[in-house]
Amino acid sequence: DAKTTQPPSMDCAEGRAANLPCNHSTISGNEYVYWYRQIHSQGPQYIIHGLKNNETNEMASLIITEDRKSSTLILPHATLRDTAVYYCIVRVADWGAGNMLTFGGGTRLMVKP
Amino acid sequence: KAGVTQTPRYLIKTRGQQVTLSCSPISGHRSVSWYQQTPGQGLQFLFEYFSETQRNKGNFPGRFSGRQFSNSRSEMNVSTLELGDSALYLCASSLREGTETQYFGPGTRLLVL
Repeated sequence: DAKTTQPPSMDCAEGRAANLPCNHSTISGNEYVYWYRQIHSQGPQYIIHGLKNNETNEMASLIITEDRKSSTLILPHATLRDTAVYYCIVRVADWGAGNMLTFGGGTRLMVKP
Repeated sequence: KAGVTQTPRYLIKTRGQQVTLSCSPISGHRSVSWYQQTPGQGLQFLFEYFSETQRNKGNFPGRFSGRQFSNSRSEMNVSTLELGDSALYLCASSLREGTETQYFGPGTRLLVL
């Protein structure tokens, strides 16, 4: 699976949008971009994933650049409960590919009042 | 639908002992993966099971083993515990291998004294 690069930490004001960048310049054509987050001492929580189109769900939006070498996770109105470590992961999601997730260091997002 | 459950949630053992951790996946999920999380190494993949067969294994010594039962429940075992095995052990389940979303349990926190 391709390697990802994320800033180690970011701050965001409560109520503002949090934009978390991820670089995955070696991504292959059949690799998806996934985002998970981990609130302190809990199991990681799935947020969103995408292949090449932008995606939106009730939690967040995922913007993938046209060359797929980077992406941005957007939390539109961050709350204090969004304080967590956010992981960007790229992986093949095909039958027989296995489910192994390779976690990097992630971005520690601190939402401040 | 109930989430992934892990038992026990907390465990204290001494060096040299062995330990067995249990994971019950979401109902209907047939793939179970295990991860170890430590402050120094972060989240690392241990192994993955699908339909009672180990599909992938991470770079861990043979003291770490696992199995999956016909009802998809999984156990992992660590023999001859070392101080460095102190960690949060996380289990994740998904419908089948290679699918988009894995759901993590709350983890078992193991302390080796």
